[in-house]
Amino acid sequence: GEDVEQSLFLSVREGDSSVINCTYTDSSSTYLYWYKQEPGAGLQLLTYIFSNMDMKQDQRLTVLLNKKDKHLSLRIADTQTGDSAIYFCAVPNSGGYQKVTFGTGTKLQVIP
Amino acid sequence: DTEVTQTPKHLVMGMTNKKSLKCEQHMGHRAMYWYKQKAKKPPELMFVYSYEKLSINESVPSRFSPECPNSSLLNLHLHALQPEDSALYLCASSHTVGQGLGYTFGSGTRLTVV
Repeated sequence: GEDVEQSLFLSVREGDSSVINCTYTDSSSTYLYWYKQEPGAGLQLLTYIFSNMDMKQDQRLTVLLNKKDKHLSLRIADTQTGDSAIYFCAVPNSGGYQKVTFGTGTKLQVIP
Repeated sequence: DTEVTQTPKHLVMGMTNKKSLKCEQHMGHRAMYWYKQKAKKPPELMFVYSYEKLSINESVPSRFSPECPNSSLLNLHLHALQPEDSALYLCASSHTVGQGLGYTFGSGTRLTVV
């Protein structure tokens, strides 16, 4: 099965940039996703990137994809206290999109 | 309407009870999913429905019984649960299975089995 790993915790000061990293094992995935989960809530799709892209920018969010190293990152510019949450990368399993494996999750703490 | 609505938000049930979780979406999505999430862990897939038919059962114990009465509704029937089944149960939907554009999640039902 797919292994998707993330660092557990990241702490940044308000106004700084945050970079959340994700590594995966299956190179056949064509879409890769980032989700945000606030306390007591479900997951919110933040953005996704198609595998023929190296970078995608969406307002304060920048996704970088290194297919060779199987590494995905999410950069949040000008991090705000409202960005405090758990961030999950997600990768479809090989053979189709019926199954998506979520990363272990990174808890982002923003210090005012 | 761009939401997935789950009810109830919280549920406490005894090990001999029968209860149901409900999920509803009106986005015209034809794929619906049940996930289980334990504290500080990622969501784990339980079931996938595609066009109202069960497509994937991730070897879930039979005390969990899914049902998709129509394209907008997804239920999860619970019977004789164990305390270790206590978790956040998340419903999600997507346009179709394999469309690649990600899922819309509900806010979940927090289940406690006593």
